[in-house]
Amino acid sequence: ETGVTQTPRHLVMGMTNKKSLKCEQHLGHNAMYWYKQSAKKPLELMFVYNFKEQTENNSVPSRFSPECPNSSHLFLHLHTLQPEDSALYLCASSRPAGNQETQYFGPGTRLLVL
Amino acid sequence: AQTVTQSQPEMSVQEAETVTLSCTYDTSESNYYLFWYKQPPSRQMILVIRQEAYKQQNATENRFSVNFQKAAKSFSLKISDSQLGDTAMYFCAFMQAAGNKLTFGGGTRVLVKP
Repeated sequence: ETGVTQTPRHLVMGMTNKKSLKCEQHLGHNAMYWYKQSAKKPLELMFVYNFKEQTENNSVPSRFSPECPNSSHLFLHLHTLQPEDSALYLCASSRPAGNQETQYFGPGTRLLVL
Repeated sequence: AQTVTQSQPEMSVQEAETVTLSCTYDTSESNYYLFWYKQPPSRQMILVIRQEAYKQQNATENRFSVNFQKAAKSFSLKISDSQLGDTAMYFCAFMQAAGNKLTFGGGTRVLVKP
């Protein structure tokens, strides 16, 4: 265990549903990240939060809405997704971003959009 | 933009033997950080090893070692005395010195055979 947990581990949703992914880190870190891992594509950074402030949005469609209420929790709110959004969504955390800190990953949420 | 290339999609190795995974990257920066992550079937992304570009000495972590060739922009991973638990996808990743964004390669699947 790396100290980063994600729930749910698996999620199936229809295109009209609204769901949320949750990430929690127990490492005392101040930066949190969302990555998308699709089949046959490298991991893609989606969002970065540093001390609860969003510092990077990697041109992610607005149907993905992140929320970081504190340095320990990160959410990804999903609405009106497309089948091509089916992927493994990985959360990571590190000490303050921008200082070349190693990122530690959670186990991921496998999302299937029908 | 930085790119990371892993040219070997899949490799197999006998238990107790050695396997080397290749990684090349493209950057115009002189200071940066390189990582190898392991993703076993459980999907948990686990840090294997980290290398700072300003350090000439190759990083080592138990049975894992790297061959960092800065001029050639090459960062290979050697797994010695392979164990069944080493079976996983291995990802090479690049982080620029002034940022927090990890750029990943496409991964190499390693299968350790008994």
